[in-house]
Amino acid sequence: NAGVTQTPKFQVLKTGQSMTLQCAQDMNHEYMSWYRQDPGMGLRLIHYSVGAGITDQGEVPNGYNVSRSTTEDFPLRLLSAAPSQTSVYFCASSYSGGRTEAFFGQGTRLTVV
Amino acid sequence: DQQVKQNSPSLSVQEGRISILNCDYTNSMFDYFLWYKKYPAEGPTFLISISSIKDKNEDGRFTVFLNKSAKHLSLHIVPSQPGDSAVYFCAASASGDYKLSFGAGTTVTVRA
Repeated sequence: NAGVTQTPKFQVLKTGQSMTLQCAQDMNHEYMSWYRQDPGMGLRLIHYSVGAGITDQGEVPNGYNVSRSTTEDFPLRLLSAAPSQTSVYFCASSYSGGRTEAFFGQGTRLTVV
Repeated sequence: DQQVKQNSPSLSVQEGRISILNCDYTNSMFDYFLWYKKYPAEGPTFLISISSIKDKNEDGRFTVFLNKSAKHLSLHIVPSQPGDSAVYFCAASASGDYKLSFGAGTTVTVRA
């Protein structure tokens, strides 16, 4: 069982470049979310979705876009990469948001130079 | 402003002894709490949770205690094993809110 799959695992970008981090889940979960993990900051919510066609901002949404066209997929787009976006990114899915266990992908380590 | 705080960045414990991880929260609307464990180069995995209607929840070697009046919860691991060496995140959510708020994490090292 795949669970939550994130691609790529590693990425180096130049300042100003754009890219999309992919996330797919096969558990038919309605709720999906993106977090970034930075030293001493824990996991901070970037964007989340409560179902196909519905997205909302989290704690640190600036510089990121999301869309949810299917239940399975929730890509995260960096519009114009900045060094401050150097981080480890995690995608998660769950049956019912913060009230149930969330399943996380393995993460994408992004470096912006 | 972080609403979930884990004030101890690290904890070192001898194998077989108890590990106690602490977590404080400031948002009085939080009523559901979860602990996640994370190994290097992996995503966090769910460990244990507790609802505010309870003050204790146990699952094998892991027990979570909730003190609502103090806005404090703790995770006890007894006995600690080398495989427990990981980063532990405390998380909280409020009723009707889909979002989870995470603490900064505590790195546990279990010494042989």
